Amino acid sequence: NAGVMQNPRHLVRRRGQEARLRCSPMKGHSHVYWYRQLPEEGLKFMVYLQKENIIDESGMPKERFSAEFPKEGPSILRIQQVVRGDSAAYFCASSLLAVANTGELFFGEGSRLTVL
Amino acid sequence: EDKVVQSPLSLVVHEGDTVTLNCSYEVTNFRSLLWYKQEKKAPTFLFMLTSSGIEKKSGRLSSILDKKELSSILNITATQTGDSAIYLCAVSDGSGNTGKLIFGQGTTLQVKP
Repeated sequence: NAGVMQNPRHLVRRRGQEARLRCSPMKGHSHVYWYRQLPEEGLKFMVYLQKENIIDESGMPKERFSAEFPKEGPSILRIQQVVRGDSAAYFCASSLLAVANTGELFFGEGSRLTVL
Repeated sequence: EDKVVQSPLSLVVHEGDTVTLNCSYEVTNFRSLLWYKQEKKAPTFLFMLTSSGIEKKSGRLSSILDKKELSSILNITATQTGDSAIYLCAVSDGSGNTGKLIFGQGTTLQVKP
């Protein structure tokens, strides 16, 4: 679903650098979710945000990872001091209503982070 | 711990075959089960199931939920090469509005001409 835009599509970082991944939800969607997909594994929930609020960050590591969804602009997933284990595809999804109500998420094409 | 398990993990068939993909779950607070298709890009939504025994259909794809068995199947009839993809099963956690989907590891389907 091209409506959810993620960038960059590919990002290469060296250990210790910072990675910033951006997500613009579909027009009119105020619910944003970040998921991580490790090689050979399923998608794992990281964080759920509404405009200016973090609703659920239970899947996000407590250190080095942070997420925001400001009033204006895209949602940003920030990984500080990246390590090799952070290499993964990071998917953003958005929904018009909370997923618990509709069940349908619209996914972006993902940002593939490679840490050297 | 909540989990979703899919089987088989991978499957190779020929065009025209019918396939059945399985999904079982253990979730404390089940709300709905969803199927997604992931080609090389974004997962795309296929079905959402909330009630047992009611089949959802879309063309050659259909799915049904069995809440007693805590499972669901996704059927694809008369497969085509364009059906080659990873099929993801996910369960929606109904506790509050967390929006947290618990995904299985996916079934990789390859349809050969």
